[in-house]
Amino acid sequence: DAKTTQPTSMDCAEGRAANLPCNHSTISGNEYVYWYRQIHSQGPQYIIHGLKNNETNEMASLIITEDRKSSTLILPHATLRDTAVYYCIVRVVSGSARQLTFGSGTQLTVLP
Amino acid sequence: ETGVTQTPRHLVMGMTNKKSLKCEQHLGHNAMYWYKQSAKKPLELMFVYSLEERVENNSVPSRFSPECPNSSHLFLHLHTLQPEDSALYLCASSQERRTGRESRNEQFFGPGTRLTVL
Repeated sequence: DAKTTQPTSMDCAEGRAANLPCNHSTISGNEYVYWYRQIHSQGPQYIIHGLKNNETNEMASLIITEDRKSSTLILPHATLRDTAVYYCIVRVVSGSARQLTFGSGTQLTVLP
Repeated sequence: ETGVTQTPRHLVMGMTNKKSLKCEQHLGHNAMYWYKQSAKKPLELMFVYSLEERVENNSVPSRFSPECPNSSHLFLHLHTLQPEDSALYLCASSQERRTGRESRNEQFFGPGTRLTVL
């Protein structure tokens, strides 16, 4: 699976949009971009994933650049409960590859 | 509540003890995973049971032994652990497709077992 690069930490004001970047310049054509988050002392939680089109669900939006070398996770109205480590992961979804390879992620702190 | 439960939530054991961690998923999934999360380190995949196959990370020591009696239950048997094995052990499950069309492969994680080895 392709390697990802994320900032170590970010702050965001409560109620504002949180934009979390991820670089994945070596992504291949059959790899998807996944985002998970881990709130302190809990297991990771799936947020969203995409291949090349932008995606939106009830939690977040995912913007993938046209060349697919980077993406941005957007939390439109961050709350204090969104404080967590956010992981960007790229992986294939078909075939025998089932592993999620977690990096160090971005520690997002939402400030009151 | 993710539909994945783990017991115990906390465990303290000596290096000569034998203990087991238990995971149960109520989601009807066909794949289960053990991950280890040490302080200040990324999650590390230890074992996967998927579509009746077992896949393991070759760097996991033999003092960790997984067991998957059915698709809903997963155990991690521990014996003669070392203090550096102290970590959060996370179980996850997902629905995998053998071939063909893509699946979301979303993994649902349990709350973890916080293990301390003295």
